[in-house]
Amino acid sequence: QKEVEQDPGPLSVPEGAIVSLNCTYSNSAFQYFMWYRQYSRKGPELLMYTYSSGNKEDGRFTAQVDKSSKYISLFIRDSQPSDSATYLCAMVNSGTYKYIFGTGTRLKVLA
Amino acid sequence: SQTIHQWPATLVQPVGSPLSLECTVEGTSNPNLYWYRQAAGRGLQLLFYSVGIGQISSEVPQNLSASRPQDRQFILSSKKLLLSDSGFYLCASHRAGSKYEQYFGPGTRLTVT
Repeated sequence: QKEVEQDPGPLSVPEGAIVSLNCTYSNSAFQYFMWYRQYSRKGPELLMYTYSSGNKEDGRFTAQVDKSSKYISLFIRDSQPSDSATYLCAMVNSGTYKYIFGTGTRLKVLA
Repeated sequence: SQTIHQWPATLVQPVGSPLSLECTVEGTSNPNLYWYRQAAGRGLQLLFYSVGIGQISSEVPQNLSASRPQDRQFILSSKKLLLSDSGFYLCASHRAGSKYEQYFGPGTRLTVT
């Protein structure tokens, strides 16, 4: 079993839709959770960073962590064609430097 | 603000040739630094990380090596490239005051022919 599982997609949605992206993980020691957006041939861009369980909102983006279920989500409201990219989840536990990444979900927002 | 620079942006090298990729970080001091490789259609593979000058930890025992000659400079090297070394190489660091909030540079796309 992989430490982090992420559906590769592609996920196609119409413009304006609410998008839900998810990762599951197996290591209960993970404490810090991140979501990245990566456009083709570019470096990943950090979108959301959360510690432990709960929700965090930033504009159209909401990150949710459920440590009891070992499940994290990224919600995108009012999705735009410019949101079309690959979204990577990542996580790490304190005291280590080894981040574990999902393989990414490709999102296409259709105009 | 903090910025990660990487160069070159693109590189095409023959099998057996040497490699040197450079990463520099601006706007912070004593950062943790990381080298990742992203192969086409695959996830990010951690290659090396460094918590200080001369302190390098290797995650992948291959024909790659890393050095940190200055506080904010991280270099990835190889003496002889293999075809399997092709990929997108990313340097990463963390936000000042936030040891676990990792962000990435623009990357170097390496093609070994």
